[in-house]
Amino acid sequence: EPEVTQTPSHQVTQMGQEVILRCVPISNHLYFYWYRQILGQKVEFLVSFYNNEISEKSEIFDDQFSVERPDGSNFTLKIRSTKLEDSAMYFCASSPSERKQFFGPGTRLTVL
Amino acid sequence: KQEVTQIPAALSVPEGENLVLNCSFTDSAIYNLQWFRQDPGKGLTSLLLIQSSQREQTSGRLNASLDKSSGRSTLYIAASQPGDSATYLCAVKGGGSNYKLTFGKGTLLTVNP
Repeated sequence: EPEVTQTPSHQVTQMGQEVILRCVPISNHLYFYWYRQILGQKVEFLVSFYNNEISEKSEIFDDQFSVERPDGSNFTLKIRSTKLEDSAMYFCASSPSERKQFFGPGTRLTVL
Repeated sequence: KQEVTQIPAALSVPEGENLVLNCSFTDSAIYNLQWFRQDPGKGLTSLLLIQSSQREQTSGRLNASLDKSSGRSTLYIAASQPGDSATYLCAVKGGGSNYKLTFGKGTLLTVNP
């Protein structure tokens, strides 16, 4: 069964550094999403992406964040200058329509 | 703003017991509701999705119900097994958004052998 994949599984970075989290959505899906989960807290929506543009973003998704679909298979989340509070598990998801979302295994980001 | 609450926060049951997990949401204008399972340090596995026009969905030992007007959903697990131990998350889509899921904090289920 096709799955959403994410790399790396764990990323450690220094505060102020740029990180890129990578996702490969399920191949025939059209909608792509990023969520994050700070340890012990709820899963929070960051951004959705459809037809090569952001369709919705949360208040968390400020100018430090950007998303891109650089080719036909990858979907990336960039954090330009990481802060301590960006430490979280980041989940990518995709869906074929506006219905069920399929989640990847997550990337654990640790900012030191 | 949509808020999702899950009760109880944690539940411990002996193997074989039937159990119910609860989810409530504040804005009843939803498109759908999904139940997920999350194992420690892992991703989210979708269990069931209920469209707003539906009342329930079943998959194996799992049954999810939706009462949109009262803002409630339940996840019923029959004949629980130790392998069912995980955190169960409820998420709703809608309430002003076509795209994002709003999650509850989850119920941590422990099934004891």
